[in-house]
Amino acid sequence: GQSLEQPSEVTAVEGAIVQINCTYQTSGFYGLSWYQQHDGGAPTFLSYNALDGLEETGRFSSFLSRSDSYGYLLLQELQMKDSASYFCAVSGGNYGQNFVFGPGTRLSVLP
Amino acid sequence: EAGVTQFPSHSVIEKGQTVTLRCDPISGHDNLYWYRRVMGKEIKFLLHFVKESKQDESGMPNNRFLAERTGGTYSTLKVQPAELEDSGVYFCASSPSRSTDTQYFGPGTRLTVL
Repeated sequence: GQSLEQPSEVTAVEGAIVQINCTYQTSGFYGLSWYQQHDGGAPTFLSYNALDGLEETGRFSSFLSRSDSYGYLLLQELQMKDSASYFCAVSGGNYGQNFVFGPGTRLSVLP
Repeated sequence: EAGVTQFPSHSVIEKGQTVTLRCDPISGHDNLYWYRRVMGKEIKFLLHFVKESKQDESGMPNNRFLAERTGGTYSTLKVQPAELEDSGVYFCASSPSRSTDTQYFGPGTRLTVL
């Protein structure tokens, strides 16, 4: 089976940097994705890591260490609109067909 | 390019009734997924279609749930009979040929069973 762990809540102020960690256990691993979901909205894709290291996309960066079964999402220059839930998700199984979400981290950005 | 669409956006039904949710994936996407998020909890995988075939339905909670994808285009998820614990938001997502690709989510259908 597969399981993922994330902190349930994180609070930060505008302009700050926040890191959301994700640890996983999976049978077969193809990649780690991050999704953002605002209240009442659909999850939207942020990033995908298949190899170890850091992927940077604007204010958001994502890191993966396959040997540690660990990844994180780094959000810089926080803005109020970044307040949302953030989910990590693992593509696993025999050919990456199993897509399992973590429990989500609720980020609150304060003025 | 049109995104993933779902219908209806909201559905309120009574326990014991039947509801059918529809998902139209992005044109050309072979992979279609159904997920459910119960209030305040994580997003749970329900099943995965590759074209018209069910690739993985290990997440379907019980035999009251039936998913179909006729002709490999749109998909329906029928709940019959609905129970109170079926309430939640049902998301559909699609991705291109490789199942490890980014999944694009629809807006979801909020189902309330009274």
